[in-house]
Amino acid sequence: NAGVMQNPRHLVRRRGQEARLRCSPMKGHSHVYWYRQLPEEGLKFMVYLQKENIIDESGMPKERFSAEFPKEGPSILRIQQVVRGDSAAYFCASSPQDGSYEQYFGPGTRLTVT
Amino acid sequence: AQRVTQPEKLLSVFKGAPVELKCNYSYSGSPELFWYVQYSRQRLQLLLRHISRESIKGFTADLNKGETSFHLKKPFAQEEDSAMYYCALGGTYKYIFGTGTRLKVLA
Repeated sequence: NAGVMQNPRHLVRRRGQEARLRCSPMKGHSHVYWYRQLPEEGLKFMVYLQKENIIDESGMPKERFSAEFPKEGPSILRIQQVVRGDSAAYFCASSPQDGSYEQYFGPGTRLTVT
Repeated sequence: AQRVTQPEKLLSVFKGAPVELKCNYSYSGSPELFWYVQYSRQRLQLLLRHISRESIKGFTADLNKGETSFHLKKPFAQEEDSAMYYCALGGTYKYIFGTGTRLKVLA
């Protein structure tokens, strides 16, 4: 089992461009979580998805950010019209059930907005 | 409010010395607490969870509900323990992480 995969590992975008971050959960896992880590801060919950459903997006900024987890393919975190403040590490985690069980983390995508 | 506090950003100890990484939490329900570790250039991985009461790599952590703490301890630090350590509060799917403590074990 390859574990949770994220790509790209590093992404550089200019202000105003779009960023797409991908996450493939572990085999057999149907729950995906996205976290953001700003410099000098802990990981902060953004969104929790199951296949084709957003369960909780309370941690997502109201504008420009969206997430999906389609029936086929990876989960995608999309940031439109990026700004410098979006520069952060974005981590994806997956679990076979909800948070009663541990979440397995991907290596993260480091987004840099120039 | 639910919160996890790790008061130390950096903890340096000598090899063979005892280690204690502090974690305090605020949670109104029945908490599930975890310690995650991130070695250099590796992904975050689960080290301990309070439910299992295991000892992993010589580390232990006891949940103290009276003091709302879940400190991570190891009697004799090793150089390979150098890493970032994050305390996390579960209970639901929405994990709440502390800001992390960087442990440096000096030779």
